[in-house]
Amino acid sequence: AQSVTQPDIHITVSEGASLELRCNYSYGATPYLFWYVQSPGQGLQLLLKYFSGDTLVQGIKGFEAEFKRSQSSFNLRKPSVHWSDAAEYFCALSGGSYIPTFGRGTSLIVHP
Amino acid sequence: DAGVTQSPTHLIKTRGQHVTLRCSPISGHKSVSWYQQVLGQGPQFIFQYYEKEERGRGNFPDRFSARQFPNYSSELNVNALLLGDSALYLCASRTTPGQGDTGELFFGEGSRLTVL
Repeated sequence: AQSVTQPDIHITVSEGASLELRCNYSYGATPYLFWYVQSPGQGLQLLLKYFSGDTLVQGIKGFEAEFKRSQSSFNLRKPSVHWSDAAEYFCALSGGSYIPTFGRGTSLIVHP
Repeated sequence: DAGVTQSPTHLIKTRGQHVTLRCSPISGHKSVSWYQQVLGQGPQFIFQYYEKEERGRGNFPDRFSARQFPNYSSELNVNALLLGDSALYLCASRTTPGQGDTGELFFGEGSRLTVL
């Protein structure tokens, strides 16, 4: 079985501050990992993905994520948050079935 | 290029009614998946279709059914609606399974279903 845990339901940061959203997974092999973002009333947009190779992956909108096998984690980071980054962020895992399993999401609140 | 399109965007039904939601994938994508997203939760997998065949089913009751047409568009049907079926229903398409596929999904904006 595969599962994804996002331990933080809400994260509040000030504009310009750095950001880290946590994601832990459970899977018996090396998974495919994704981060998606969802703005209010919208569908999900892919930020970045990890398949293999370099464990630090770069995505759109200045986001990056690091795959750490020893910690079963795939945390999302951004060095300087903009007000437009306020949204819901979902970590997802795709294993052998290629059917992604999503975490419950982390809501990012950005203070001016 | 057009992305994944879904219709209707919003609809209101009453308990016991039936609903049909429609989805058109990105041109060239042959696989369509359906997800249910309840407020405050992540998307939950309902169905995956590829080449008009069901390739995966999530833990949903038989009231939920779907099909895929020769043009790769898809319908999700829900019978005997319950209040708990109120949710955002998301359709996603992806590249052909097996050809460098990793499960990356391209989502539509969803159909917001309210059951009263």
